[in-house]
Amino acid sequence: QVQLVESGGGAVQRGGSLRLSCAASGFTFSGYGMHWVRQAPGKGLEWVAFIRFDGTNEYYGDSVKGRFTISRDNSKNTLYLQMNSLRVDDTAVYYCAKDDGLGSGGIDQWGQGTLVPVSS
Amino acid sequence: QSVLTQPPSVSGTPGQRVTISCSGSNSNIGTKYVYWYQQFPGTAPKLLIYRNTKRPSGVPDRFSGSKSDTSASLAISGLRSEDEATYYCSAWDDNLSGPAFGGGTKLTVL
Repeated sequence: QVQLVESGGGAVQRGGSLRLSCAASGFTFSGYGMHWVRQAPGKGLEWVAFIRFDGTNEYYGDSVKGRFTISRDNSKNTLYLQMNSLRVDDTAVYYCAKDDGLGSGGIDQWGQGTLVPVSS
Repeated sequence: QSVLTQPPSVSGTPGQRVTISCSGSNSNIGTKYVYWYQQFPGTAPKLLIYRNTKRPSGVPDRFSGSKSDTSASLAISGLRSEDEATYYCSAWDDNLSGPAFGGGTKLTVL
C-alpha cells in the first residue's frame, strides 16, 4: 500500500532554515506529481507547493514563494521541501501528499505529517 | 481567508442526512473538479470524494458529492457518530496554480 513518511521537522528559530523529506513507497513515485500541504495549529489546510512527476516544473503558494523550494529525487523515491527565512506564521504540520495523477490537481494519499514550530 | 467558502460547522442526529456546502468561482469550482477530504483530530486528511462525485474504494456510499456551477456539496446520509470530523473541499485554482481548499466544516453528531 502507499506510504508517505515525512521527516526533518522540529523546532527552529525565526529566520532559520529546515529541510523536510518524504520517503515514498508502494507506488511508482516517478510517475506522479507530489504536493506539500500545511496546517497551522487549529487551522485549515493550506497548499504549499507542487512538483511535476519528472521534476520539470514547480509551483508555489504565494505565502512561501521565494523562500521555499520543492524538489525530488526519483532514484531515491524521496520528496523534499527546503524552507528558508522561516517566519513564525510558517508554524504548522507539513504533509507530503501524492497527486492522483488524473490531471485535476487532486490528492489521493497523505503522509502522517511533521510538525515545524518556528519561534521568535 | 480561504479561496473556497464552507460553513464553519454543521450538526445532525444519528440517521439524519446532512449537507456541507462549498462555494467558489469560475477560476476553481466553476471549471475544475471538486475533491472532499475527511480529517479526524490529530490525524492526516483522507480522500473522501474525487472528481465531484466519485468515491474511492472503501468509502461508504452514505457519502456523496455533487457540483453545480461554482458550488459543490457533500452529503452524508444515515449519519453515524463516527462521521464526526472536519470536512474540507478542494479544487484546482487557476489564479493560485495549485489546489485551493475551503476553510473546513466541523461536523458534530448530536
